[in-house]
Amino acid sequence: SQQGEEDPQALSIQEGENATMNCSYKTSINNLQWYRQNSGRGLVHLILIRSNEREKHSGRLRVTLDTSKKSSSLLITASRAADTASYFCATDGPYSGGGADGLTFGKGTHLIIQP
Amino acid sequence: GAVVSQHPSRVICKSGTSVKIECRSLDFQATTMFWYRQFPKQSLMLMATSNEGSKATYEQGVEKDKFLINHASLTLSTLTVTSAHPEDSSFYICGYRFSSYEQYFGPGTRLTVT
Repeated sequence: SQQGEEDPQALSIQEGENATMNCSYKTSINNLQWYRQNSGRGLVHLILIRSNEREKHSGRLRVTLDTSKKSSSLLITASRAADTASYFCATDGPYSGGGADGLTFGKGTHLIIQP
Repeated sequence: GAVVSQHPSRVICKSGTSVKIECRSLDFQATTMFWYRQFPKQSLMLMATSNEGSKATYEQGVEKDKFLINHASLTLSTLTVTSAHPEDSSFYICGYRFSSYEQYFGPGTRLTVT
């Protein structure tokens, strides 16, 4: 398995605080993406960062990528109760079955925003 | 973003029966769809890549005779879990690779095998 690791596995903070989640991966990548999953629901794409980018912003989200350390971080600023969800990083391939376009997901961070 | 639907959202079946899950792309045509499985409190694992008009490609450890995939049209891919067992109980999610390597996912199907 090429799964990455998210850190921390669970995070509980107060509304208004910033939340930082980290992700590490094992192989070289073309890009890294972050997804959100509300309990028992499908995935929502948040942001994609390419391997030649170091930082990217989207609204309250800030993603960094350090390819030398094979790691990425997701920062959510001014958190809201609605941000409560699980967050996954995902990288592209490789896969043994030849499904080179499938994603490899990290184990996820469960974020709880306390109102 | 692209809209992907799945049906059913939840299904309970008895051990030994087969269950079909449909994944539809509503506003685009998809030559390639992906099927993932997610066990409780775990991450998503790619099961197979579904190619329109050809055989699906399965990941290592996924039984192709148990998880039948059919991608007969550009808007519909189906996953059939044959002779389901309790250990097949999981959350099944389909996804389509859109531009710039983003993937858009269906809402998922919760399968419970009793």
